[in-house]
Amino acid sequence: DGGITQSPKYLFRKEGQNVTLSCEQNLNHDAMYWYRQDPGQGLRLIYYSQIVNDFQKGDIAEGYSVSREKKESFPLTVTSAQKNPTAFYLCASRDPSWGPQDTQYFGPGTRLTVL
Amino acid sequence: AQTVTQSQPEMSVQEAETVTLSCTYDTSESDYYLFWYKQPPSRQMILVIRQEAYKQQNATENRFSVNFQKAAKSFSLKISDSQLGDAAMYFCAYRSGYGNTPLVFGKGTRLSVIA
Repeated sequence: DGGITQSPKYLFRKEGQNVTLSCEQNLNHDAMYWYRQDPGQGLRLIYYSQIVNDFQKGDIAEGYSVSREKKESFPLTVTSAQKNPTAFYLCASRDPSWGPQDTQYFGPGTRLTVL
Repeated sequence: AQTVTQSQPEMSVQEAETVTLSCTYDTSESDYYLFWYKQPPSRQMILVIRQEAYKQQNATENRFSVNFQKAAKSFSLKISDSQLGDAAMYFCAYRSGYGNTPLVFGKGTRLSVIA
């Protein structure tokens, strides 16, 4: 089945540690996105990538880093510089060739908790 | 920058009744697309309905319909014959029609359905 997978579902991190969240898609989509969701804040864009080896900062990129070495994969690293990393993280993808009306598909999310 | 505002953090509706969720947006663009996403307790984001700004006709998907008022920059979602499974967070989102830009989300409305 085509879709987006995120792993792990739950992640616990000690303060001061970097952690990487995985996002993989087999939809053959060029564009991929990372969002952070906090209660009452909606979804805020962290980073996005429109094509392999290219990515742009979103609204809240500080303390995060990404890579896009393969079309299917867009991992997000939460660094120790992120002051308040506890949140729910959503990965998404879409096919830009279908135009801006095209659906953006989401993964099931990763819940990160800093201990 | 475009912004999306959902002024109702929480709403409730009796089963089988109709409810309307509000969304307003701010943009100077003439070409854009609007979306409503549903996030049930599983936290999986699901596209409910979309509207192209150039279309005057309001979009409809089964029990879900929108009231798109372009001049007022309003995009409300109407759910008819509400069901228990409609209980979820609902997010309004905007995408520019120019270039390949990410979705901009509102902060969401939590809908409860009362049996």
